[in-house]
Amino acid sequence: EIVLTQSPGTLSLSPGESATLSCRASQRVSSNYLAWYQQKPGQAPRLLIYGASNRAPDIPDRFSGSGSGTDFTLTISRLEREDFVVYYCQQYGSSPQHTFGQGTKLEIK
Amino acid sequence: LQLQESGPGLVKPSETLSLACTVSVDSISSSGDYWAWIRQPPGKGLEYIAGIYFAGSTYYNPSLKSRVTISVETSKNQFSLKLRSMTAADTAVYYCARHFDYDASGFHSPFDYWGPGTLVTVSS
Repeated sequence: EIVLTQSPGTLSLSPGESATLSCRASQRVSSNYLAWYQQKPGQAPRLLIYGASNRAPDIPDRFSGSGSGTDFTLTISRLEREDFVVYYCQQYGSSPQHTFGQGTKLEIK
Repeated sequence: LQLQESGPGLVKPSETLSLACTVSVDSISSSGDYWAWIRQPPGKGLEYIAGIYFAGSTYYNPSLKSRVTISVETSKNQFSLKLRSMTAADTAVYYCARHFDYDASGFHSPFDYWGPGTLVTVSS
């Protein structure tokens, strides 16, 4: 099983700044099958990035993903107040299961 | 595309949870899509439970496989989850979702459409 470790657990920033969220895998993620999700309180997760660096439909270009192998990053530029929620990474390449990171909470400083 | 979970909000320990996900497509059997169940304990992270292809092939989380059955009911445009021998550790919000099969890898794909989720509490 691939274990995903997200850091930091909580990130405190101000609106307008940029956020860098990390997701590290315990083993290589095949085919860069790594996704990022945003989850607002009381809502289902929303797909932001797939294939490590591809934005999902209707996702603003303020959100970008990068990385390969075992180290992946989600960057959010020009933070808006609605961005201060929880983010999860997910790998979907290893068989026989998908795994998620434990989440990073982005909070207003 | 919309998905909606339905089922009991309260289950007793040792009982079987039965959930259904209704999908707003013309026909789940002709959509060619892959579907999944995912859960999230209160205040915690996400856990994949199982997935199913409209034609019936399935994919299970090994840690839950012995207690889980996923199935599709094409006549109702639904797919369903059964989780046996429920305990307090199974208390969670249960989501149904669609696999975003962007490169024809089937189950090896993320999730682009989700239901709103349904909270299931295990308690006597």
